[in-house]
Amino acid sequence: DSGVTQTPKHLITATGQRVTLRCSPRSGDLSVYWYQQSLDQGLQFLIQYYNGEERAKGNILERFSAQQFPDLHSELNLSSLELGDSALYFCASSPRRSNTEAFFGQGTRLTVV
Amino acid sequence: GQNIDQPTEMTATEGAIVQINCTYQTSGFNGLFWYQQHAGEAPTFLSYNVLDGLEEKGRFSSFLSRSKGYSYLLLKELQMKDSASYLCAVRDEGNAGKSTFGDGTTLTVKP
Repeated sequence: DSGVTQTPKHLITATGQRVTLRCSPRSGDLSVYWYQQSLDQGLQFLIQYYNGEERAKGNILERFSAQQFPDLHSELNLSSLELGDSALYFCASSPRRSNTEAFFGQGTRLTVV
Repeated sequence: GQNIDQPTEMTATEGAIVQINCTYQTSGFNGLFWYQQHAGEAPTFLSYNVLDGLEEKGRFSSFLSRSKGYSYLLLKELQMKDSASYLCAVRDEGNAGKSTFGDGTTLTVKP
């Protein structure tokens, strides 16, 4: 158990819908990272938050947004969902801005039908 | 940008040694990670190299040559549970929170 908690574990939704994925980092970790892993694109970095502020951005679509709350948990919002958004979404956390000591949650498997 | 290459699949025998290579062409470099990922599970951290040379951790070792843009992960005394995907990732020079991942190498360990 990495100490990073993601909910829900599985999510099935229809195209065009909007979903929210939640991540609780390890106790004391200030950084949260979101990744997308699909069969055809491997693991892709989406975005990093550090202590409530956006720190780094990867290949995150405009339909996707994220935030980190004062209690340090984070949410990833995916809207206008398409079939191609079906993937595993991982959250990771680390104590500092650097991802050297990042640990991953078990992921949310999103299926868009 | 970052371009990372790893073999797609490898097969090895239980008890043997296997070396998984990773080459990268990047606009900047700030360290290289190796992760292990079992199917449907989260990646788990194996090693981090930022300087040239070999880092050993139990049965696993990782090597880096920055001048050659090359790394390898060496797994000794292979066990069946080592069957997994191994991901090589390079961290951005300008941002210590951002890494680019290779597509992973699926290792199958056979009895």
